[in-house]
Amino acid sequence: DIQMTQSPSSLSASVGDRVTITCQASQDINVYLSWYQQKPGKAPNLLIYDADASNLETGAPSRFSGSGSGTYFTFTISSLQPEDVATYYCQQYDILPRTFGQGTKVEI
Amino acid sequence: QVQLRESGPGLVKPSETLSLTCSVSGGSFSTYYWTWIRQPPGKGLEWIGDVYYRGSTTYNPSLKSRVTISVDMSKKQFSLKMNSVTAADTAVYFCARQSAYSYGYAYWGQGTLVTVSS
Repeated sequence: DIQMTQSPSSLSASVGDRVTITCQASQDINVYLSWYQQKPGKAPNLLIYDADASNLETGAPSRFSGSGSGTYFTFTISSLQPEDVATYYCQQYDILPRTFGQGTKVEI
Repeated sequence: QVQLRESGPGLVKPSETLSLTCSVSGGSFSTYYWTWIRQPPGKGLEWIGDVYYRGSTTYNPSLKSRVTISVDMSKKQFSLKMNSVTAADTAVYFCARQSAYSYGYAYWGQGTLVTVSS
């Protein structure tokens, strides 16, 4: 299985801060990576697909962006808002089985 | 508007079979892969497997020996069966569908907690 390693596991930042989460794949997954936001008691919400900032899911705020290819990926919140408090997951869909990162908890 | 809803028992005894159904409304049922994902309490997400609308399946090797996913196009439903469950299978189970333009999961059910306990 492809291991997806997110960093950090948790972070605390202030409103308006720029926040970056990284996701490293154990082997090349091209750009086949998505980012999700999950709030407590809710299903994950797709934010970015195919790794790239230009692939923002419909309805996702433009302050969310992504980049990377191969084995190294980043997810950025350009200006952290109170409603962004959540756990964020990366997920690869290049190779079966699909695998998720362990999650990054973002707090304010 | 695509909507998914899981249904099934919330409590299953150890060694028995977990059975869940996902009902789909809105959008097309054909063309897509339909997926089960689970999340143990306080932990991360685990992909269980998926079924194509025509019935072909793919499973996580870690669960393959115990899992069956099937589809009923006439009812716009797909189902998960997991046998020989243990406490380690206690989790929120989600059904999900890929987006129209990527394999990211754009549509999710609300999730259903299944507890394995005697």
